[in-house]
Amino acid sequence: EAGVTQFPSHSVIEKGQTVTLRCDPISGHDNLYWYRRVMGKEIKFLLHFVKESKQDESGMPNNRFLAERTGGTYSTLKVQPAELEDSGVYFCASSHSGRTGELFFGEGSRLTVL
Amino acid sequence: RKEVEQDPGPFNVPEGATVAFNCTYSNSASQSFFWYRQDCRKEPKLLMSVYSSGNEDGRFTAQLNRASQYISLLIRDSKLSDSATYLCVVTLNQAGTALIFGKGTTLSVSS
Repeated sequence: EAGVTQFPSHSVIEKGQTVTLRCDPISGHDNLYWYRRVMGKEIKFLLHFVKESKQDESGMPNNRFLAERTGGTYSTLKVQPAELEDSGVYFCASSHSGRTGELFFGEGSRLTVL
Repeated sequence: RKEVEQDPGPFNVPEGATVAFNCTYSNSASQSFFWYRQDCRKEPKLLMSVYSSGNEDGRFTAQLNRASQYISLLIRDSKLSDSATYLCVVTLNQAGTALIFGKGTTLSVSS
């Protein structure tokens, strides 16, 4: 079974540019999450989709971040315009409903904003 | 105060050693507790859930003390392959979503 896949694995952009990260969850997983790890800090929750609906977006830092999950399959996370402090590793995770706390993470998309 | 606090380490131990990691959490309303493992530059992976009664999975034993808001992980007979960062994780809801991570404790096992 394929795991959670993320693209790109690494992106380097200039401040003010736009970047879109993509996540393909494990097939059949209704729950999809985005997390972020900024250098030297802990992994932080950004948001949670159940199918195509945003269940919890309390962790989104500001309105420069836009997440979508059209059709309840893959998800995108767009950062526009990117700022220096957005640099970090963006992890996507998915889970099966009913399996408390058992999230399957992708390898992450490393974003560097110069 | 951090929501989940861990000793960052690193813990450097020889093969065969027993090592214990501690974790404290600040929100008494925390519902579920886990240990995740993260290898260098890889994704976090669930190691084990932590139950109030304590639970064991092979060489790994997890304990939870709700009164003290304290979680522990004990690794017996350490292997080289146990070298990784161990992340203490809690959630505030029964569904186990919106995980709150500690910064992790790094373990290095040497031969």
